[in-house]
Amino acid sequence: GIQVEQSPPDLILQEGANSTLRCNFSDSVNNLQWFHQNPWGQLINLFYIPSGTKQNGRLSATTVATERYSLLYISSSQTTDSGVYFCAVARNSGNTPLVFGKGTRLSVIA
Amino acid sequence: EAGVAQSPRYKIIEKRQSVAFWCNPISGHATLYWYQQILGQGPKLLIQFQNNGVVDDSQLPKDRFSAERLKGVDSTLKIQPAKLEDSAVYLCASSLEARVTQYFGPGTRLLVL
Repeated sequence: GIQVEQSPPDLILQEGANSTLRCNFSDSVNNLQWFHQNPWGQLINLFYIPSGTKQNGRLSATTVATERYSLLYISSSQTTDSGVYFCAVARNSGNTPLVFGKGTRLSVIA
Repeated sequence: EAGVAQSPRYKIIEKRQSVAFWCNPISGHATLYWYQQILGQGPKLLIQFQNNGVVDDSQLPKDRFSAERLKGVDSTLKIQPAKLEDSAVYLCASSLEARVTQYFGPGTRLLVL
């Protein structure tokens, strides 16, 4: 099946700092989503971004499908950004399910 | 708009017992998913429904797990009998259709002793 690798696995930031999270995947995809899982376990969809660039407030994401990677940018980080960020992809054929990476655990300290 | 509802939020059972989880998706969402998330890992799809039909259950341990979505709205996931390794968070998600944004419920935390 498709492999999804996220880096870094852990990240500690001072409040106000910027960060870039990376997602590499091993096959062509037509579905890529970024999620944030807060410390209480709730998964929130951040972006549906199989290709191109999107921005939502302090967050933005870019997917370069031809090179099989996606980046999530967090600017001016806040303590509420803490949690685990997951990238999930689905292969570019049929109705294959989303496969999640292992996530990047982000801790933002005041 | 109300989000995805799940119950119970927590459940503790002994091995070999049975347990059932309930999910009510966002109104109008045709696609419903059940995921298992083991501590420290990303969610893994167990089963996907499109309306009341199963689209994908390739990773569902069918000897002990079952799921249904009889009227194409809410869904139940059952484990019988439970094993220690079933301890995990069971997440339900829904989307308008397949291959678009998925919205997750709060999950059910299961501990099997």
